[in-house]
Amino acid sequence: EPEVTQTPSHQVTQMGQEVILRCVPISNHLYFYWYRQILGQKVEFLVSFYNNEISEKSEIFDDQFSVERPDGSNFTLKIRSTKLEDSAMYFCASVAAVGETQYFGPGTRLLVL
Amino acid sequence: AQSVTQLGSHVSVSEGALVLLRCNYSSSVPPYLFWYVQYPNQGLQLLLKYTTGATLVKGINGFEAEFKKSETSFHLTKPSAHMSDAAEYFCAVSTNTGGFKTIFGAGTRLFVKA
Repeated sequence: EPEVTQTPSHQVTQMGQEVILRCVPISNHLYFYWYRQILGQKVEFLVSFYNNEISEKSEIFDDQFSVERPDGSNFTLKIRSTKLEDSAMYFCASVAAVGETQYFGPGTRLLVL
Repeated sequence: AQSVTQLGSHVSVSEGALVLLRCNYSSSVPPYLFWYVQYPNQGLQLLLKYTTGATLVKGINGFEAEFKKSETSFHLTKPSAHMSDAAEYFCAVSTNTGGFKTIFGAGTRLFVKA
């Protein structure tokens, strides 16, 4: 079965550093997402991406965040200057079309020290 | 805007007993509804989903859920709990607007006692 992959599985960084989280969505999917889950809390929507542009973003997704689909396969989340409160599990997801199943990747656990 | 409320942050049942995890949603347009399970230190696994059609949806691992529009509910049930069902369960809603994002509930941790 096709799956969404994410790299790295874990990342530790110093406060103020830039991080890039990478995702490879399922190949024929058209909608891409980033979510985050702070330890012990619920999963929160960050941003959706369709047709090479952001279609919606949450309040969490401020100017420190950006997304990119640099080629036909990767989908990245960049945090420009990490803060302690950015420590969380970040999930990438993709879906083929509206109403179809959204597939989640295994997540990247980010720890900001 | 959509929202999800899961009643009970923790539910404890005995092995073999009925599992009932409650979920109510709010949506101004017809919703798509999901239940996900998350085991410790793992990602999200889709249990079942409702998009259109039959309101009683069967999922994996013996779980099912019923969409009740009049009650705006999508409760998850399993007739007989197994120790391996112990996990965090998230109800979620999305619609065909706003980029089809998914909004998650706060989650319910299920404990299964021997």
